Amino acid sequence: DGGITQSPKYLFRKEGQNVTLSCEQNLNHDAMYWYRQDPGQGLRLIYYSQIVNDFQKGDIAEGYSVSREKKESFPLTVTSAQKNPTAFYLCASSIEGGQGYGYTFGSGTRLTVV
Amino acid sequence: SQQGEEDPQALSIQEGENATMNCSYKTSINNLQWYRQNSGRGLVHLILIRSNEREKHSGRLRVTLDTSKKSSSLLITASRAADTASYFCATELYSGYSTLTFGKGTMLLVSP
Repeated sequence: DGGITQSPKYLFRKEGQNVTLSCEQNLNHDAMYWYRQDPGQGLRLIYYSQIVNDFQKGDIAEGYSVSREKKESFPLTVTSAQKNPTAFYLCASSIEGGQGYGYTFGSGTRLTVV
Repeated sequence: SQQGEEDPQALSIQEGENATMNCSYKTSINNLQWYRQNSGRGLVHLILIRSNEREKHSGRLRVTLDTSKKSSSLLITASRAADTASYFCATELYSGYSTLTFGKGTMLLVSP
């Protein structure tokens, strides 16, 4: 079955550490996205990528980094520069730019700073 | 930036009743989408309505769009306990690239 796989489901980070969240899709979608969700809040866009080897900052990119070396993969690194990283992180993909086809989401990674 | 604002923030109804959620947005859009999120899970795409459409149906879902008022509503008819979830509206605007901007969501509780 096609879909998006995020791993791990739960992640604990010590202060000052960098951690990387994995996102893999086998839908042959061109575009991929990372969103952050805080309790009781909507989703805020961190980074997005329309094609391989290209990505753009979203609304809250500070303290995060991404890479897009393969069409299927869009890992997100939460760096020590992110002051409040505890949140639920969601990866999504879509046919080129979405353009009316909707996004497919992974099941999320819950990151907690300990 | 969050563009969509859903209303109400929370809604509690009995099974069999209809549930109506509203969404307002601020800028021009190409389409508006509704998503559902079960607790602690990813979002699931429910329905999309384009800016030149006024109403769309999908099963028990009915979506309306009023671009002059920059608002949309999602109606779930004959609600079931399994409809308990958070519902988000998201707007899409193409400008060389495309991203979705989400609201804060409406939490729906359907009691048996």
